[in-house]
Order: sequence, then structure tokens, then C-alpha cells
Amino acid sequence: QAGLTQPPSVSTGLRQTATLTCTGNSNNVGYQGAAWLQQLQGHPPKLLSYRNNNRPSGISERFSASRSGNTASLTITGLQPEDEADYYCSAWDSSLSAWVFGGGTNLTVL
Amino acid sequence: QVQLQESGPGLVKPSETLSLTCTVSGGSISSYYWSWIRQPPGKGLEWIGYISYSGITNYNPSLKSRVTISVDTSKNQFSLKLSSVTAADTAIYYCARCANSGYDCFDYWGQGTLVTVSS
Repeated sequence: QAGLTQPPSVSTGLRQTATLTCTGNSNNVGYQGAAWLQQLQGHPPKLLSYRNNNRPSGISERFSASRSGNTASLTITGLQPEDEADYYCSAWDSSLSAWVFGGGTNLTVL
Repeated sequence: QVQLQESGPGLVKPSETLSLTCTVSGGSISSYYWSWIRQPPGKGLEWIGYISYSGITNYNPSLKSRVTISVDTSKNQFSLKLSSVTAADTAIYYCARCANSGYDCFDYWGQGTLVTVSS
């Protein structure tokens, strides 16, 4: 099934800024944006950002989401060791009438 | 604080039906939609489908022929049935909440339950 495209891995230094990308099309990301989730090893995913780029209560301001056309981005500032995780984007696909996920990006903090 | 908990057999034989239940506590099942998502070991996430508190369903087209999701509001539970399973259906199965009529999903998750398909 068609999904969203994310780079498999990103590595960035401690206290630096990482930007993760998620590319879809006009039926999904370009339609109404993408949500972002963080999955720590051995844990369920946690929502970091809604499709409208707002953060759920309790999510650090270091995580910010944005969108330009069919590409969504998640920016993480002041990287900490605990930010090492898999990050997934997800969007509602209007042509499939289904939620689709990206393949996930594994973030390494050097 | 809303909590979700998956339950069901951890081992299912090939060609049989996988059945799981998600129990919602700390809040009512009403006014929300409820999703099932799965994750094969070491792989990414796949949305299976969702159901509203009133029984409106929407399924992943790739699984639609084998999936049934139902809701029991009296027990604050919703359930997943996946028929004719194969080894490819081995995964951690999660339940999660959706708001805004299913357009804002995944703000609360269960811990997940591993289901292995094997004889």
C-alpha cells in the first residue's frame, strides 16, 4: 500500500537541531497535514504533533512541526540522549479513505 | 487520564481468526473513534481500521476483506477480528484513540500485545 516517505535514519549531535522529513502527495500530507509520533525502543508510539502542527499537552516545545506543500517536517531542537527513537509521520489519505504511515526515521544523537 | 489495554490470545494458528479486545478506562468510549494499528517485529506501523462509538467503521483497503471491528459501549470496549491469518500477520497489535470524527488520531495508545501466527 502507498505510504509516506521518510529517510530511514538521521544522526545529529547532542544539543544540536534535527529536522526530519515526511513526503506524501496532495491526497494525504498536502491534503490536511501530517501527525508525528515518537516511539522509544520497546514502547508504544507517542503523539508529538497533531496534523495542524499543534502539540498535545505535555509535549516539549523542543518539538515543532510544519508543512510545505506535500512535505511535512519535524524539528527537534536542543537534542538530548533521550530523543533517540524512531519517529513516524502519519496522515489521512483522502483517496484511500485510510490513515497511512511513513516507514519511520531512526534518530541517533551523537 | 484515559488508558487503553489490549487483551487476547498471543498465539493463533494459520488460517484461523485473530481476536483482540481493547478496554478503555478513565473516560467514556463515547464521542470518539477507536483505532487498531499493528507493527510487525522490527518494522513500521500499519493502520488496520477504526470504529466510532456509534459503530461507523473504516478499514485499511489492504486488509478490508479480512477485518471486522466492533464496539461494546456498555463495557467500554472495542474489538478486532482478523480472519484467515498467516505468518505475515504476526505483529504487535495496538489500540489507539481518535478524535474529530477520526481525523485526529493516535493521542492515546495501549501498551500493545504481541500476536504470533504459528502452528
